[in-house]
Amino acid sequence: SAVISQKPSRDICQRGTSLTIQCQVDSQVTMMFWYRQQPGQSLTLIATANQGSEATYESGFVIDKFPISRPNLTFSTLTVSNMSPEDSSIYLCSVESRTGANVLTFGAGSRLTVL
Amino acid sequence: DAKTTQPPSMDCAEGRAANLPCNHSTISGNEYVYWYRQIHSQGPQYIIHGLKNNETNEMASLIITEDRKSSTLILPHATLRDTAVYYCIVRALLGQGAQKLVFGQGTRLTINP
Repeated sequence: SAVISQKPSRDICQRGTSLTIQCQVDSQVTMMFWYRQQPGQSLTLIATANQGSEATYESGFVIDKFPISRPNLTFSTLTVSNMSPEDSSIYLCSVESRTGANVLTFGAGSRLTVL
Repeated sequence: DAKTTQPPSMDCAEGRAANLPCNHSTISGNEYVYWYRQIHSQGPQYIIHGLKNNETNEMASLIITEDRKSSTLILPHATLRDTAVYYCIVRALLGQGAQKLVFGQGTRLTINP
């Protein structure tokens, strides 16, 4: 199955700044999914990132706040813009690990704390 | 996607079988049942999935009722490392590549020594 590396693993940021999270996969994948997990909560899908096209955002998430890049089939970035304490969460990327079975592999996540 | 209902928490003694229930009474004929778990401070981990037949792998067994309205994940010999939040997800396999998964609140399973 695919192996995912996420950077940074954790960070502490100041209000109003932006942070870019990187997701690197060891194999080529068509779709990448970005999730957010707020403290004590379940995972919520932010967007789906296809290579070569605009990301598809879920209700409640907008491109200006969470711009996503997908320059190739093994890499994606998620930026959390103009951060506020409410953005303190774990951000996870995931990819399909078994073609055709809809089984997803997740990265370890990036724990973001906004002061 | 069909909605799932899971108990918020369960306890199980180490070495015993842990049976985690999931109700999905509105499941459609083409929807699979997936189970994932999330150990503290890690990303979710795939466990098993099935359509209508019971499934078993090295991690667990999945029992799906004949009417497919509920299922049970069985960890046959629970260890302390099985303490995690377990998510039951129902999703159709559309054959168009990976599909997003919608996570509910899951069941927080605690294995006690």
